[in-house]
Amino acid sequence: EVHLLESGGGLVQPGGSLRLSCAASGFSFSTLGMAWVRQAPGKRLEWVSAINNNGAATWYADSVKGRFTISRDNSRNTLSLQMDSLGAEDTAIYYCAKEQGYRLPFDYWGQGILVSVSS
Amino acid sequence: EIVLTQSPATLSLSAGERATLSCRTSQSVSSFLAWYQHKPGQTPRLLIYEASNRAAGIPARFSASGSGTDFTLTINSLEPEDSAVYYCQQRISGWTFGQGTQVEIK
Repeated sequence: EVHLLESGGGLVQPGGSLRLSCAASGFSFSTLGMAWVRQAPGKRLEWVSAINNNGAATWYADSVKGRFTISRDNSRNTLSLQMDSLGAEDTAIYYCAKEQGYRLPFDYWGQGILVSVSS
Repeated sequence: EIVLTQSPATLSLSAGERATLSCRTSQSVSSFLAWYQHKPGQTPRLLIYEASNRAAGIPARFSASGSGTDFTLTINSLEPEDSAVYYCQQRISGWTFGQGTQVEIK
């Protein structure tokens, strides 16, 4: 059974940093792309960042480009998101998501973790 | 960036009725379109991939069609547990979501 478990969220001051992690199990982690998707309060789902199966290719939404860094450790089945220069607009529930395959959607999602940026 | 526009914003129907949700894309996404169901406090659930294929475990009352720029999700014989926000998402160029359609069961 596929499991995705996020950790590392919490309250951070504007301008601060936070690192999210996602522990994956139940599937062949190193063969599939992964992503982070967020949902701000009362807003739509927003794709944040994605990484291919071996970590060689990464993509970012314009809203986080230059501030967030996605990475993965296939030896530990772990996905990470380093978030720097955080602002109030980054307050959201962050979901780790597994791609079903190339150009396919996210078939499994973590439970989500709250990131709150406030002074 | 490909923009996805969903309509209507809210759909209020009675149990047993049929819901028809629309998703239009600003440029062709071929069949690289998916639909998700998202209930408050829960994780999003993949319903449909590649425009018309039901994901594993999705009831047959959920069906979808379309290609290019116009897509439809149909929920036949609505059940109370179908109350949720439904999102479309394209995957031909990057990843973008529509703004969602809230389905309410009267």
